[in-house]
Amino acid sequence: GQQVMQIPQYQHVQEGEDFTTYCNSSTTLSNIQWYKQRPGGHPVFLIQLVKSGEVKKQKRLTFQFGEAKKNSSLHITATQTTDVGTYFCAGIPAGGTSYGKLTFGQGTILTVHP
Amino acid sequence: ETGVTQSPTHLIKTRGQQVTLRCSSQSGHNTVSWYQQALGQGPQFIFQYYREEENGRGNFPPRFSGLQFPNYSSELNVNALELDDSALYLCASSLARGAYEQYFGPGTRLTVT
Repeated sequence: GQQVMQIPQYQHVQEGEDFTTYCNSSTTLSNIQWYKQRPGGHPVFLIQLVKSGEVKKQKRLTFQFGEAKKNSSLHITATQTTDVGTYFCAGIPAGGTSYGKLTFGQGTILTVHP
Repeated sequence: ETGVTQSPTHLIKTRGQQVTLRCSSQSGHNTVSWYQQALGQGPQFIFQYYREEENGRGNFPPRFSGLQFPNYSSELNVNALELDDSALYLCASSLARGAYEQYFGPGTRLTVT
């Protein structure tokens, strides 16, 4: 079945440093979504990418979808302590009747030291 | 606009018992998905309900079953509980089936002893 892998599993940064997490799918995706989960909380939607090679920005966050629609990345510029949490990518396989069968990666845990 | 709510917040059950978890979707949403999140892992898709019909299922055994009601609220039922069923169960609602953003509820923490 489809697998979604994320690296790194953990990232510790000093406040102000940049952070990047990478997401790779074993199959082509119709779209990819990114979520953030704070410690003790639930996943909160950040963004969805649909087009091959798409790049979207939200303030200090930059999201990319690969040309082959099998990988994605999230880059945070100048991290802040409020960025602490686990970042998940989640994808829906292209084609078929997978509709909302969202497959999550295992997440990247980000800690930010002030 | 009311967000996604889940009940109960926490639950402790014994191996072999049955459990029912409940979810109220966000107003205007007709699709509900259920996920199991083990500690330190990403959410795993259990199944999705769209307009009271199951719309897709992940790799979970038949003892995981669900319902969606006319008001789009939903239940997750798990029979013959096993120790490995201990996890956070998340419900998420969306505008429709397909590639829409998921609005997650706070989850139900299930512990099986």
